[in-house]
Amino acid sequence: GENVEQHPSTLSVQEGDSAVIKCTYSDSASNYFPWYKQELGKRPQLIIDIRSNVGEKKDQRIAVTLNKTAKHFSLHITETQPEDSAVYFCAARMKTSYDKVIFGPGTSLSVIP
Amino acid sequence: DVKVTQSSRYLVKRTGEKVFLECVQDMDHENMFWYRQDPGLGLRLIYFSYDVKMKEKGDIPEGYSVSREKKERFSLILESASTNQTSMYLCASKVYSLSYNEQFFGPGTRLTVL
Repeated sequence: GENVEQHPSTLSVQEGDSAVIKCTYSDSASNYFPWYKQELGKRPQLIIDIRSNVGEKKDQRIAVTLNKTAKHFSLHITETQPEDSAVYFCAARMKTSYDKVIFGPGTSLSVIP
Repeated sequence: DVKVTQSSRYLVKRTGEKVFLECVQDMDHENMFWYRQDPGLGLRLIYFSYDVKMKEKGDIPEGYSVSREKKERFSLILESASTNQTSMYLCASKVYSLSYNEQFFGPGTRLTVL
């Protein structure tokens, strides 16, 4: 069935280091891949997304890469800051009529000052 | 700014009770979603709706039903609450578009079933 896997489940980095979170998806027809950030006690918010016709997208300190052949995509955060500490969810949109998105299980990122 | 609100932040109910969780969005979005969030399991889709009175089952619809009588309001109903439905429930909405895809989430309702 439709599935999105995400690794690692927890990640701890020193402030200033880079963080990488990796996801794989099962449906080869998926065409849209968003990343959401959820700070403690708050709602998830979209931070970056990528479409299936693009291999890489960058927005300041965050970037996402997509490998369609391997069906995996990754989030890269450079020069991490304490405010980057949060749970990050990757997701993949199923190519159906109703805009269904499947979320990964989440990665809890801790940035140590 | 898009605003998605949920009727309660915290809710405590007893086993067997009928529970209503309400979600309202103010941006005229066609699509609305109900997710359940549990540690280590991420956001799992319960039901979604793409129009008034239209609904589709998500991945874990058992024990839940939904109602969408008006475009701005999407209700999640637990017909007979059970302890394994203790969880955080998140509502989301988005415009129906292939080019604009951001989901806007509500603040969540933490439901405890005793």
